Amino acid sequence: GQQLNQSPQSMFIQEGEDVSMNCTSSSIFNTWLWYKQDPGEGPVLLIALYKAGELTSNGRLTAQFGITRKDSFLNISASIPSDVGIYFCAGPESGTYKYIFGTGTRLKVLA
Amino acid sequence: EAEVAQSPRYKITEKSQAVAFWCDPISGHATLYWYRQILGQGPELLVQFQDESVVDDSQLPKDRFSAERLKGVDSTLKIQPAELGDSAMYLCASSVDPNTGELFFGEGSRLTVL
Repeated sequence: GQQLNQSPQSMFIQEGEDVSMNCTSSSIFNTWLWYKQDPGEGPVLLIALYKAGELTSNGRLTAQFGITRKDSFLNISASIPSDVGIYFCAGPESGTYKYIFGTGTRLKVLA
Repeated sequence: EAEVAQSPRYKITEKSQAVAFWCDPISGHATLYWYRQILGQGPELLVQFQDESVVDDSQLPKDRFSAERLKGVDSTLKIQPAELGDSAMYLCASSVDPNTGELFFGEGSRLTVL
């Protein structure tokens, strides 16, 4: 089946720094989603992207749907301690509503 | 704010025992998903329901796992017999419109098999 690979696997940054992470696939996705999971909780949707090239913001978060439709990027500006968590990209397998999740990027913010 | 309810929150069992997890989705959400998340990995879809019908269960180990959503509302995921490798977080999610990709997740049920 289709797979989503995320990088970096983990990041340690200082509070106030900007963060970039990406998600790639060997196959095309028509929707890209970014979720955040806090420890011991279920994932929560941050941003949804539905069109190639689309750039969407949600507060300090900005995500882009790659032109090739095989990748997506998430940026967090001016990180704060509550940004700590695991960020997952996700998307539906071709022709289905079966949402698969990436391998995750674990973010730690040092105050 | 409406939430997806799951129980139990934690379950410790011995291998070969039976376990069951329950999920009550947000009212009006016709699509329900069960995911398994092994520590350090992303969620893996086990089964997807549309109302009471199974849409996809291709990743469900059917020799030991079963899932049902009899009245198209709440759902139960069962494992019998449990194996050591089943230790994971079992997440339930629901969606009012799966086309959007907006899945609402519960807090999960963490299973430890000894």
